[in-house]
Amino acid sequence: DAGVTQSPTHLIKTRGQHVTLRCSPISGHKSVSWYQQVLGQGPQFIFQYYEKEERGRGNFPDRFSARQFPNYSSELNVNALLLGDSALYLCASSTHRVMGPQETQYFGPGTRLLVL
Amino acid sequence: SQKIEQNSEALNIQEGKTATLTCNYTNYSPAYLQWYRQDPGRGPVFLLLIRENEKEKRKERLKVTFDTTLKQSLFHITASQPADSATYLCALAGDLNYGGATNKLIFGTGTLLAVQP
Repeated sequence: DAGVTQSPTHLIKTRGQHVTLRCSPISGHKSVSWYQQVLGQGPQFIFQYYEKEERGRGNFPDRFSARQFPNYSSELNVNALLLGDSALYLCASSTHRVMGPQETQYFGPGTRLLVL
Repeated sequence: SQKIEQNSEALNIQEGKTATLTCNYTNYSPAYLQWYRQDPGRGPVFLLLIRENEKEKRKERLKVTFDTTLKQSLFHITASQPADSATYLCALAGDLNYGGATNKLIFGTGTLLAVQP
């Protein structure tokens, strides 16, 4: 079975530009979450989507937005890029909307974004 | 605000020894605590989950303890091997103060483990 896939793997942008990152969850998984991981830090929650609706949002500015498609794949969009947006962006998929005792999240390899 | 602390210093141990990693948290009542492994440039990989009403969980060479009074989890790798070298992340989920109904994970900063042959 294919795991979570993300594209592109690496991306270089300049300040003020816009970026779109893509994620395909594991087959059968309806929940997709996005995390930002700055170098030397743990991942920080950005969004969760379940059944195409936003179910959770972290403490990120409105420049960050996301959506989920009928096939459960997802896009993360970031507008007006800042230098501080440079990070590894991780997508995680899971079967359920809420955490349960048998629930875990499966992370993709991430997209490395560098803003110059 | 919620805060999770892991050993900020890298942990260097000799092959065959037991590695013990610490995760402390404040201002949070998690329903679940998870441990992940992350290799450089890769996404985190799930290792173990322990519930707030469980004291200890084991999986092969891995053992996790969870003390909700101390607000602390310990993660042990016995008979460590160089292949165990990676960053280990502690993650909390399901804030009981809010009914525990969330998918969101709150991660610590991670501890870098280096196992010397």
